[in-house]
Amino acid sequence: GENVEQHPSTLSVQEGDSAVIKCTYSDSASNYFPWYKQELGKGPQLIIDIRSNVGEKKDQRIAVTLNKTAKHFSLHITETQPEDSAVYFCAARVYSSASKIIFGSGTRLSIRP
Amino acid sequence: DSGVTQTPKHLITATGQRVTLRCSPRSGDLSVYWYQQSLDQGLQFLIQYYNGEERAKGNILERFSAQQFPDLHSELNLSSLELGDSALYFCASSVEQGSTGELFFGEGSRLTVL
Repeated sequence: GENVEQHPSTLSVQEGDSAVIKCTYSDSASNYFPWYKQELGKGPQLIIDIRSNVGEKKDQRIAVTLNKTAKHFSLHITETQPEDSAVYFCAARVYSSASKIIFGSGTRLSIRP
Repeated sequence: DSGVTQTPKHLITATGQRVTLRCSPRSGDLSVYWYQQSLDQGLQFLIQYYNGEERAKGNILERFSAQQFPDLHSELNLSSLELGDSALYFCASSVEQGSTGELFFGEGSRLTVL
């Protein structure tokens, strides 16, 4: 299968709190999981990615965890700031007929002041 | 600025018409990807080209076609347009062939079919 499911579709958190977005995938051969941030009127931009040989990766306030057994991965944003407000997409590399990047449906994150 | 250029930025046309969307990848990138983003929807993979050859295909309709030219720019052709084809069409580019690295997205072409 080529499904990447993402939850929640919308998320509102108080500034300074943490935000967590979760994704599941169906292709057991998937080995690359990027996260993209899309700001209003712009194209998506890579913020962090993880490969299947590690379980966690951090970059300042953002971190991604991967559980290959359960086929799910999550994005964690700590100490949220107003500029974190955007739509976030998880994605996975799948191999059904050819290698390609399939995206989740997106999470609209709003940071309340 | 991602380095990926898409034209036109906005396009309004009528049902049954045909349009062409153009993408210039980042300098040095050999792979070009096309994605469709409908209202409040995720990014649907359409097709990928690498150095002029088709590499992967997603749920691209038969009314849609694409190609990558020797100078590496790509065009997405949409024909017999329907209301449901209204969407934001993104082009992305990367160095790799096998979707293992960062995709650099353009700002998209917004198509409105009336």
